[in-house]
Amino acid sequence: EAGVTQFPSHSVIEKGQTVTLRCDPISGHDNLYWYRRVMGKEIKFLLHFVKESKQDESGMPNNRFLAERTGGTYSTLKVQPAELEDSGVYFCASSSRGMWETQYFGPGTRLLVL
Amino acid sequence: ELKVEQNPLFLSMQEGKNYTIYCNYSTTSDRLYWYRQDPGKSLESLFVLLSNGAVKQEGRLMASLDTKARLSTLHITAAVHDLSATYFCAVYSGGGADGLTFGKGTHLIIQP
Repeated sequence: EAGVTQFPSHSVIEKGQTVTLRCDPISGHDNLYWYRRVMGKEIKFLLHFVKESKQDESGMPNNRFLAERTGGTYSTLKVQPAELEDSGVYFCASSSRGMWETQYFGPGTRLLVL
Repeated sequence: ELKVEQNPLFLSMQEGKNYTIYCNYSTTSDRLYWYRQDPGKSLESLFVLLSNGAVKQEGRLMASLDTKARLSTLHITAAVHDLSATYFCAVYSGGGADGLTFGKGTHLIIQP
C-alpha cells in the first residue's frame, strides 16, 4: 500500500510568487491534514479535511494560504503571494476514520522563499 | 492552549547505553503519539498511548504514559546506531483543534 505522497519535495521561489503544494493521501483515507514546521519551531497544525470538506482550518496563518481537496482525493495548498516567513517544511498526513486515529505523514515539501 | 514540551532537544549517546526522552503536556489529553523521523523522510508512527499507565514496547524502545502527571517517556535500551533519528511526541487533546500538537522533537545521535 502506497503511503502519503507529496509534491514537490523542494521548492525555491521568490517573495511575491505563488506556490502550490500537492498531497496524495493513502487511498481510502477520508481525513487529510496539513502541518507546517518553520525552522527551529514545532510542527504546527494548519487544517483538516474530511473528504472534500474543511473541518477545521484554525491553524491557517492568514488568507494568503488556500487549501482545497476537490473530489475528496488529493489536496493542494496554495500560498499566494509567498512571504519570507512562509519558508519551512509543509507536511501532509492522512488517517482512515477520524482525527483520533493514527495519522500517517508524507515526507514533506521543503519551501524556501527568497 | 495545549503545549507540549520535550526534553532533551538534542542527545548524543554511545551504543549500548540507556536513555529516556521526556514529553510533558499542559492540558488533559485523549491520546499521545510518538513518531520517528529520519532526515528527509516521513514521520513514522511508533506508538499510540491511550490511557493512564499505558506501556508499549517495540524492540529497544518503550513508551509509557502517566496522564495524572501529564508525562510520557520514551526509553531507549542498549542503544544502537540505527536508532539515530529525531523523535517527536504529539498530543491530541480532543477539545481543541483537530490536529496534533507536537513537541519540538529530540534529535538523537547514537555513536558507535
